[in-house]
Amino acid sequence: AQRVTQPEKLLSVFKGAPVELKCNYSYSGSPELFWYVQYSRQRLQLLLRHISRESIKGFTADLNKGETSFHLKKPFAQEEDSAMYYCALRMDSSYKLIFGSGTRLLVRP
Amino acid sequence: DGGITQSPKYLFRKEGQNVTLSCEQNLNHDAMYWYRQDPGQGLRLIYYSQIVNDFQKGDIAEGYSVSREKKESFPLTVTSAQKNPTAFYLCASSPVAARGELFFGEGSRLTVL
Repeated sequence: AQRVTQPEKLLSVFKGAPVELKCNYSYSGSPELFWYVQYSRQRLQLLLRHISRESIKGFTADLNKGETSFHLKKPFAQEEDSAMYYCALRMDSSYKLIFGSGTRLLVRP
Repeated sequence: DGGITQSPKYLFRKEGQNVTLSCEQNLNHDAMYWYRQDPGQGLRLIYYSQIVNDFQKGDIAEGYSVSREKKESFPLTVTSAQKNPTAFYLCASSPVAARGELFFGEGSRLTVL
């Protein structure tokens, strides 16, 4: 069955430290991967998608099909990055989007 | 003001009662979704709809029902058959051209007393 795994429930780092939020997926077809973010008292929103290959708010993520991973990285964390981050998988041409269990990132001053 | 509107924000119900959560969008999106959000479990897909008068079960559809009679509206009914209905429910929509790019509502918190 298709699955998205985010192994860390909580990731705590100091401001200025590098950040890597892990995401692994299981799907045998052509996946499309996304990262969503939910800041405190705000709606869940799209952060980035692997197809765009862009950097948003300093975050990047590369799809590694060999390792079935889509880890989210930022070289220097900021306090405003503190939020809940969800990795999501879309399969082939489907509308169905499956989310992982989420990782809470806490950036301490 | 464009976006997704969910109502009510908070809802209490007694065991054995059905309750309907409203979701309206004015983004002209074809696809709409309902997710359930529980602590430590992330978002789990209940139902989704790609087009009017059509919808598919997600991973946890048991005890829920939906309808899609209008493009703008995708109400979710939590029936008495749902064993553990107390949760936070999120509605979302997505354009055809950008499947996977979901726009979310603010959510509805249902508490069963």
